[in-house]
Order: sequence, then structure tokens, then C-alpha cells
Amino acid sequence: DTGVSQNPRHKITKRGQNVTFRCDPISEHNRLYWYRQTLGQGPEFLTYFQNEAQLEKSRLLSDRFSAERPKGSFSTLEIQRTEQGDSAMYLCASSSFYEQYFGPGTRLTVT
Amino acid sequence: KNEVEQSPQNLTAQEGEFITINCSYSVGISALHWLQQHPGGGIVSLFMLSSGKKKHGRLIATINIQEKHSSLHITASHPRDSAVYICAVSQIQVTSGTYKYIFGTGTRLKVLA
Repeated sequence: DTGVSQNPRHKITKRGQNVTFRCDPISEHNRLYWYRQTLGQGPEFLTYFQNEAQLEKSRLLSDRFSAERPKGSFSTLEIQRTEQGDSAMYLCASSSFYEQYFGPGTRLTVT
Repeated sequence: KNEVEQSPQNLTAQEGEFITINCSYSVGISALHWLQQHPGGGIVSLFMLSSGKKKHGRLIATINIQEKHSSLHITASHPRDSAVYICAVSQIQVTSGTYKYIFGTGTRLKVLA
């Protein structure tokens, strides 16, 4: 399957721990997006990469959040010192231009 | 007020019924997207529209650019159509070149056998 993949699918962590998620986009896509989705809500934009350059970050992305896309391929999203409010589904999407293709998401639970 | 509004928020239908989900938006867009999300999280793109009407199987999507409104119709609904249907609009951010989606909150559809 050559779709967008995300790992891990589920992560349970204790408050204060650091977590890292990975997204592997569709190989020919140069655009990569991270979104956060809480229960009963639509996804909210976090950040956007074009190739390896991070071109936009939402104000939702506090200093505890960092994202990278080395070499313009896979991307990682790290959350430091997790808080219970970080519990959500973290979605990755990639595109070549207009249409975005979504990964299955990583569900984070902070206890 | 959200930039993308959907109605209804929740919908229960009997198998075979004709279903309509509505989406209104208040911003300039490049395109409008209808997405389907099943429990477990994965989002699948159903339609991308910039004008008119598209049909795929039992699904029909329409958009009225002047009224900033779109509808998703499901004919002959089936329990396997049960999912969350999300309307999203895409727009280009001139300053960064970002092509970004803005999502509605979704319509939770349950089709009963």
C-alpha cells in the first residue's frame, strides 16, 4: 500500500513525558500537513511543510510542540512535557497540490 | 462563528432513506471537499468540488459558489454508510503559499438496518 502511514497508531503516556509521532507521506508528495482532532470536532491545522521547509505553524502549536521533515520525506511531531489537554487524534496528510490524502492518525492519551 | 458550518450535527436514518448533509462557508475558497471518517480515525476523500455537481455511486455532491453552500446526498442509504461526514474548504494562504484545509465539525450519520 502506498498511502500515508502513521506510527504509532495509539500512544498512552503519563503527564510530563515526551512523545514523538512519525508520518510517512505518499512518496511523490512534496506537501505535508499535521492536524489535531479532539472528540466531536473537525481536525485543526497545526503545521505545514513544503519539502523540508516548515512554512506555516498554527498558534495552536505551543513551544512544547516541534515538527521536522528532514530531507523532505517522513515527518516527526514531538510533544514535550505532555499535558492532559494534549490528548487527541493527531492526523498527518500529504498532497502534491490540491487534494490531501490522510493517514490513519495517532491517538494520544495522556494520563 | 465557525468559517465552515455543517448541519445536522447528528443524523439517524433508516436503511434505504435519502440523506442530505449541508455545509455553509464564509471564506473565499479554492475548492470544497467532502470527507468520510470511520471510527478509528482514518479520513477518506469523497469529493473535491469547485463548481456544479459530482456523482460517485450512491453519493452526490453539489456546490453553489454564489450562496457559499454545498450539499452531500446519499441515495438508498445503507448501514455501512454510518460514519462521520466532514465538509472542508481549501484556500491558499498568499503570504506562505500554504494550501490549507478548514474543516467543519462533522455530521455523525447512523443508518439503521
